[in-house]
Amino acid sequence: DGGITQSPKYLFRKEGQNVTLSCEQNLNHDAMYWYRQDPGQGLRLIYYSQIVNDFQKGDIAEGYSVSREKKESFPLTVTSAQKNPTAFYLCASSILGGGFQPQHFGDGTRLSIL
Amino acid sequence: DQQVKQNSPSLSVQEGRISILNCDYTNSMFDYFLWYKKYPAEGPTFLISISSIKDKNEDGRFTVFLNKSAKHLSLHIVPSQPGDSAVYFCAASVASGGSYIPTFGRGTSLIVHP
Repeated sequence: DGGITQSPKYLFRKEGQNVTLSCEQNLNHDAMYWYRQDPGQGLRLIYYSQIVNDFQKGDIAEGYSVSREKKESFPLTVTSAQKNPTAFYLCASSILGGGFQPQHFGDGTRLSIL
Repeated sequence: DQQVKQNSPSLSVQEGRISILNCDYTNSMFDYFLWYKKYPAEGPTFLISISSIKDKNEDGRFTVFLNKSAKHLSLHIVPSQPGDSAVYFCAASVASGGSYIPTFGRGTSLIVHP
């Protein structure tokens, strides 16, 4: 079954620590994205990548970092510079080109600060 | 400044009746408009889209209407079913390097009562 796997489902972090959220897809999609969702808010774009070894900042990239060393993997690191990291994080992927292609989402990781 | 607005945080409808979810946008450059459905603790799933050159798109019980002059779109669900109870996100997108990156509204929580 093709899809996007995010792990872990729940993650706890102590203040001052970096933490990495995993996102893996086996859909052979070129583009991958990270979103953050806060209560009562829409999804806000953190970073996206359209090709291996390249990525662009989204609307709220400060305090986050990403890497794209493999097509199927796009991990997100929440650094200690992110002052309010408690949120629901969603990873998505999509086909590139050929007109409009919708994004496919994972089931998310909920990050909480201890 | 929200480019995509869903002004109704929640909507309650009786089973079998029509559900109408509304969305307004401000950016006239948006190419595609789409709706995602989200259950608790899951990622959003793509529901239906419409190109800016059309004014209606239908898929089974779901129809999306686009009024470009008013910068308004709506999702009609007929007939509504209890399984439709979820949060519905409206999104609008422009092409960026071959991918369509959506801007999301804050969502409308639909409850369909049996």
